[in-house]
Amino acid sequence: NAGVTQTPKFQVLKTGQSMTLQCAQDMNHEYMSWYRQDPGMGLRLIHYSVGAGITDQGEVPNGYNVSRSTTEDFPLRLLSAAPSQTSVYFCASKTGVYNYGYTFGSGTRLTVV
Amino acid sequence: KNEVEQSPQNLTAQEGEFITINCSYSVGISALHWLQQHPGGGIVSLFMLSSGKKKHGRLIATINIQEKHSSLHITASHPRDSAVYICAVGPNTDKLIFGTGTRLQVFP
Repeated sequence: NAGVTQTPKFQVLKTGQSMTLQCAQDMNHEYMSWYRQDPGMGLRLIHYSVGAGITDQGEVPNGYNVSRSTTEDFPLRLLSAAPSQTSVYFCASKTGVYNYGYTFGSGTRLTVV
Repeated sequence: KNEVEQSPQNLTAQEGEFITINCSYSVGISALHWLQQHPGGGIVSLFMLSSGKKKHGRLIATINIQEKHSSLHITASHPRDSAVYICAVGPNTDKLIFGTGTRLQVFP
């Protein structure tokens, strides 16, 4: 049981490049979400999904796109990377049942130069 | 003012000491989460609670809904407890608001 798998672990992009951060879970969790973590700030929600075909914006969605075509996968797309998107990105999932906590991926450290 | 405030920001302890980390929040919530972020960066969910108290091993989490306050206690602290502890609140079941974390270092 792998839990939540994020790839890649590290990435360096040039300004204006695009890329997709991958997130996959094998726990059949309905809910998946993306966060960014910046120094001195708490994690902030970018986008989330409550099930296949359903996505919604979080606190900081600008510059990011998501889709949820399957229960297992929730990729995060940066269409035109900017230095302000330099951050550590975490994907997390949880079952729709109310009393269960979150399972986090190991994170992706992204640097945009 | 942040919607989730943690104190202290940094905490140093000797092995065996009793540790308390506090979390205050200003929004209505459906649940509060305590998370642990290891030095390597991985995040683990410790507790999710909406009332009362939960215990897991040497960790105890309490919440007072009326006072909008939660505490995380670590009994008999150990160097392996060194990590950043993060409080997060959920105004609803789909979104979390995170505190900035408390960095704990436990020395032998």
